[in-house]
Amino acid sequence: FRLTQPPSVSASPGKTITISCTRSSGSIATNYVQWFQQRPGSSPTTVIYEDNQLPSGVPDRFSGSIDSSSNSASLTISGLKTEDEADYYCQSYDGLKWVFGGGTKLTVL
Amino acid sequence: EVQLVESGGGLVQPGGSLTLSCEASGFTFSDYRMSWVRQAPGKGLEWVAHIKQDGSETYYVDSVEGRFTISRDNAKNSVYLQMNSLRAEDTAFYYCARLSLLPPSYWGQGALVTVAS
Repeated sequence: FRLTQPPSVSASPGKTITISCTRSSGSIATNYVQWFQQRPGSSPTTVIYEDNQLPSGVPDRFSGSIDSSSNSASLTISGLKTEDEADYYCQSYDGLKWVFGGGTKLTVL
Repeated sequence: EVQLVESGGGLVQPGGSLTLSCEASGFTFSDYRMSWVRQAPGKGLEWVAHIKQDGSETYYVDSVEGRFTISRDNAKNSVYLQMNSLRAEDTAFYYCARLSLLPPSYWGQGALVTVAS
């Protein structure tokens, strides 16, 4: 299966954005979704795991959810800050194989 | 502190071979499954392979199955990716990673593999 994300989103500081991640086949609820943030020149870090869990150290401006009706997961970032500007990747599992979405570039204007 | 340091990247001709190495430190290496993830320049992440803690099981993305081999040496705290029959589309930064369902996951800084004539 594939995970499809919008290539880019942009918003001003203080606003709220949502990035979608649509699973092409099979139920989004079957396997957990994780979200990674990758800033330029850096390795990825987890911002959401197990669909909606927040790792320690990640601000609660970040939240995750899944929607079975649209077979998609979403990452929402509220109160945008310039430091949130990065690429975001959703990730799920195909058995023991990992599948990444194509990534979404978030620009904070 | 967990550290993953890749080596062995470089320029190789199409059809050629290259082996990447990754030396791990800061954790009990033999307790963890290890992975390789790649990222073509300016593109997204692609999981490539993982290997079970004792090396008994390996898994690959379909596009490299039969061409790449992941292996490990727990005595040397190292994981390897042997890449054969390389193609232009294999050009990417290759990250050694200790991926986890529960964070944190740990990633190396990446080794650039360029496949070109």
